[in-house]
Formats: sequence, structure tokens, C-alpha cells
Amino acid sequence: AQSVTQLDSQVPVFEEAPVELRCNYSSSVSVYLFWYVQYPNQGLQLLLKYLSGSTLVKGINGFEAEFNKSQTSFHLRKPSVHISDTAEYFCAVSKGQGGSEKLVFGKGTKLTVNP
Amino acid sequence: NAGVMQNPRHLVRRRGQEARLRCSPMKGHSHVYWYRQLPEEGLKFMVYLQKENIIDESGMPKERFSAEFPKEGPSILRIQQVVRGDSAAYFCASSPSRTGGYEQYFGPGTRLTVT
Repeated sequence: AQSVTQLDSQVPVFEEAPVELRCNYSSSVSVYLFWYVQYPNQGLQLLLKYLSGSTLVKGINGFEAEFNKSQTSFHLRKPSVHISDTAEYFCAVSKGQGGSEKLVFGKGTKLTVNP
Repeated sequence: NAGVMQNPRHLVRRRGQEARLRCSPMKGHSHVYWYRQLPEEGLKFMVYLQKENIIDESGMPKERFSAEFPKEGPSILRIQQVVRGDSAAYFCASSPSRTGGYEQYFGPGTRLTVT
């Protein structure tokens, strides 16, 4: 079975500062990896996903993530955050090709961007 | 193209009543997933359905919970004899196919409160 650990439950940063949200996963099989963002009282929106190929994945809103197989990590980064990035971010994993489609989520990281 | 629609957005039920949550997938999507989000927790997979078929119900509680996705109409998540522990946000997601690497598109959720 897969599991996801998001090491930081809350991350406060100042506007225009860089940010990294950490995500580690465990799985005995190949996986697909995802980052979703949830704004208050809304559903989840996909930021980016890793399926295969280049380990550096670029997503929407200036976010990117790097897949590190040896460290089983998929950390999310943004070089300069905006107030509007304040939201909760979820890392998720599913089995790779031929596997189950269900997503296994981490507990989330609340990013607060302060002026 | 309308997104995933869920209704109602908020639902209040007394203990022992039934709750019915509806989900209309995006146009052209034939795969539906239900997830539950408890306070301070990430999303937990409940069930995966295609039209008229339950594909994976490994996350569904054994009693009181059921789901369906009929040939016509929305998917329904039904909770019988609700208890306070059922209070949560329930999210539906849809995808166009079972092929690996798809994106799941999430609805805005139904927030169930059991009093």
C-alpha cells in the first residue's frame, strides 16, 4: 500500500519569499505523484503531476516539483510567493501504470503568505 | 464545459437520519470517485465507480454507506442512520478514462454536519 507524509502542517512565509513544501511517499511499486491546492471552502485543483520522464515538473501558478526516487520525495517549490497562494496544499500518490486509480493523500500543508 | 457539480453544498442531518449526496461528473467523464475529508485530515478514498459498476469500494465503511452511479443521472453517496462521526466534507472527482496518468477533477464538496 502507498502512503504519503507531508512533514509540515503549517508554513508561514512573507510575500515574495521562496517556499518549499515537503512531501515523502512510500510504495513498493512505481507511482504517479500529484500536488493539489485547496482554497477555503472549495474543491481541489491540480497544480502538477509526475508520471514519468523528467524529474522536474512545472505546474500552474509558477509552482514546480522535483521527483527524487532515491529519497522517495516530491517536494513542491515556488521561487516567489504571492498573497493569493495562501491555501492548503496536498500531495497525493497513485499506483503507476496498470495500478489502482485511487489517490492516497497526505494530511496537507497550510501555506500562509503574509504581507 | 461545466466542472464537477455536487449538491447540496451544505447538509445538516440529525443523528439517525439519512444523507444523500449527489455528484454530476464533467461532461464526457465516466469515472467517479468519492473521498471524505475529516477535520485536520487529508482526503481519504472511499469508492470508485463507473456507470452501473462499483470498481473499488475498499475505502467504504462496511455498514450504512453505499454508492451508485446509474446509467442516467448523477452518482449518489448514501449514508443511512448518520452519526456525529460522519460529519465531514465529502468530495467527488471525475476522470475521462481509466488510463494511468489521468487527472481527477474535483467538485466543490458537500459539507455534512450531523447534530
